[in-house]
Order: sequence, then C-alpha cells, then structure tokens
Amino acid sequence: GQNIDQPTEMTATEGAIVQINCTYQTSGFNGLFWYQQHAGEAPTFLSYNVLDGLEEKGRFSSFLSRSKGYSYLLLKELQMKDSASYLCAVRHGSSNTGKLIFGQGTTLQVKP
Amino acid sequence: GAVVSQHPSRVICKSGTSVKIECRSLDFQATTMFWYRQFPKQSLMLMATSNEGSKATYEQGVEKDKFLINHASLTLSTLTVTSAHPEDSSFYICSVEGPPNSPLHFGNGTRLTVT
Repeated sequence: GQNIDQPTEMTATEGAIVQINCTYQTSGFNGLFWYQQHAGEAPTFLSYNVLDGLEEKGRFSSFLSRSKGYSYLLLKELQMKDSASYLCAVRHGSSNTGKLIFGQGTTLQVKP
Repeated sequence: GAVVSQHPSRVICKSGTSVKIECRSLDFQATTMFWYRQFPKQSLMLMATSNEGSKATYEQGVEKDKFLINHASLTLSTLTVTSAHPEDSSFYICSVEGPPNSPLHFGNGTRLTVT
C-alpha cells in the first residue's frame, strides 16, 4: 500500500520561513517531488529529491531522509504570492520514470 | 522539461453527453502520459496511465469504459468522458513522462462541469 501525509493547512507571516513536512510509506520509492499549485491552476514543479540530503533552489529547499520516509519543503523570505497549495508526491515503482502518487496537499496562507 | 498543452481549458456539457479532452506533448515524444483528476479542495488522484500504441492502465476504482483513453501517437493522448454525469464534474489534468529522473510536467488542466 501507499500513504503520504502532509499537514492540511499552515499559516505564516510575510518575510518569515516555513517548513512543510511530508511523511510517506510506499511500496517502491524512486524519488520525491514537491509541486506548488495555485487555486484553479495546474501544479508547477518546485523540487526533486532522490538521494538523502538537502536540495536548494533559490528561496526553496527540500530535504529527504529515505530511511525515515520523511521530507520537508522549506520556503524562505515568504512572499504573499507564496500562498498556495504545496503537494508532496512520490514516484512509485522501481524505475526512475513512472507515475507520481500525491499527498493531500498543504494549503499555505501567507499573511502580511 | 516537457511542454504540455491541454485542451479545452473549460467545458460545460449536459448530462449524458460525452466530452473529449486532448493532451499534447509539444517538445518531447512521450510514450507515457498520465491522467489525473482533482475534486475541489482535494489532491490529485491518478486515474490512468496512457501508453502509446497500447491499452491504458487504469487505477483501481476507475471505470475504463467510462473514461476512454487513446494514445495513438507520441505527442497526443485523449481522455473521453462518456455519458457524463454531474458527479464527473472535476478538474482533469494530464501530465507527460519525460526523460529518466525528470519530474512530471502538467498541462493546464480542463475544468469539466456537467449540468
């Protein structure tokens, strides 16, 4: 079976740092992805981890621990436009291609 | 990454009619595409894997006779919602599987409303 858990909602202040956690239990793992989705729009890719450790891309960083089945997305210097849903997704299966299974998403509200 | 075009972006149809949604990979020859569905305030649920030149693979609980998938070329997959009902109203999103170790790239989605 597969299970991906994220907090449903988070609130943070403009300019601050926020960490969105994701835990997963899947049969077969080949990478963890983070997507951002604004209401009514398609998801856009943010970051990807396949090995343990931290991946940094500008204001966004993502961390993975495969042994713990745990990842987080770190957003720095929050801006109002960062208010969106953040989706954690696991690549399912034994190859480095294949379908993604998504968590329920975390709705982040950034307040002034 | 792959550039994905999805059409139409919005469609309203009457109950009982069929609706076809197109997903095109504009810059990558995609042997595999994925169709997702998203209900309001919920996450993306995988419906099926579209395989070029062969039958689609459907996820558990998804009716293959209701959601017809055709992937006749390396750049186009279509999803047809047959005999649509109001409960089929949802946001349908396609994605293209690119090179190994690459993320999925999504089309802009189709908002289907069945009246």
